[in-house]
Amino acid sequence: DAMVIQNPRYQVTQFGKPVTLSCSQTLNHNVMYWYQQKSSQAPKLLFHYYDKDFNNEADTPDNFQSRRPNTSFCFLDIRSPGLGDAAMYLCATSRDRPGYNEQFFGPGTRLTVL
Amino acid sequence: AQTVTQSQPEMSVQEAETVTLSCTYDTSESDYYLFWYKQPPSRQMILVIRQEAYKQQNATENRFSVNFQKAAKSFSLKISDSQLGDAAMYFCAYSEGGGADGLTFGKGTHLIIQP
Repeated sequence: DAMVIQNPRYQVTQFGKPVTLSCSQTLNHNVMYWYQQKSSQAPKLLFHYYDKDFNNEADTPDNFQSRRPNTSFCFLDIRSPGLGDAAMYLCATSRDRPGYNEQFFGPGTRLTVL
Repeated sequence: AQTVTQSQPEMSVQEAETVTLSCTYDTSESDYYLFWYKQPPSRQMILVIRQEAYKQQNATENRFSVNFQKAAKSFSLKISDSQLGDAAMYFCAYSEGGGADGLTFGKGTHLIIQP
C-alpha cells in the first residue's frame, strides 16, 4: 500500500545532542511537510517542500532544518535539541500544493529530550 | 494570520447517537478550504471531510456531514450513528486557496464513544 513512513517511531536524545528524524513516501507526491505537535496542542507547520522548493515558516526556530534529497525522502534535523523541543513530529505529503489537496500523514515520531 | 478555534476539548456520545463538534475560524481571505481530520490513538491522522469556501452546499461523506456557515466563520462536524471506531481526536483545519502554506489546525476535540 502507498503510504507515509516515519522512522523511528520513538526517539530519545540528550539535551543539545543533534538528532535527525526521517520520513519516506511511496505516494510520489510533490509536497512534503513537517509539523510539530506538542501535548494537547494543535499541530504546527514547521516547513514544507514543493518538489525541491523549500518553504520555511516565519516562526520556525533556526535550530530546525530540513533536507529533501529526492522525491521520496525528507529529513528533519534538530541541531541542538532543548527540553522545549520534546513533541510528536508529523510528516505529511500532498500530491500538489496545499489548498484543496488532501494531506496524507505518517504515524509520527515522538521525540523525548533528556 | 489565520486562526482555528475548537472550543470543546472533549465530547462524549452514546454509540448510535449523533454528535456535533464545533469549529470557528478567522480569516480575511475569500478563497480557502476547510477540513476535518481524525487522529485515532497511536495511529496516523486521516482526512474525514473537506469543504471549499466558495461552495454553499455542505459537504457530506456517509455518516459525516458539515454545517458550513461562511458569514459566521463556523464549520461544525456532525457524526451520525456514532460507532466505537469513531473514537479519536478530531482536528479542524484551514488552508488558503492560493496554496502558499500548509494546514492551520485547531487544538482538537477528543471524542469518546460510550458503548
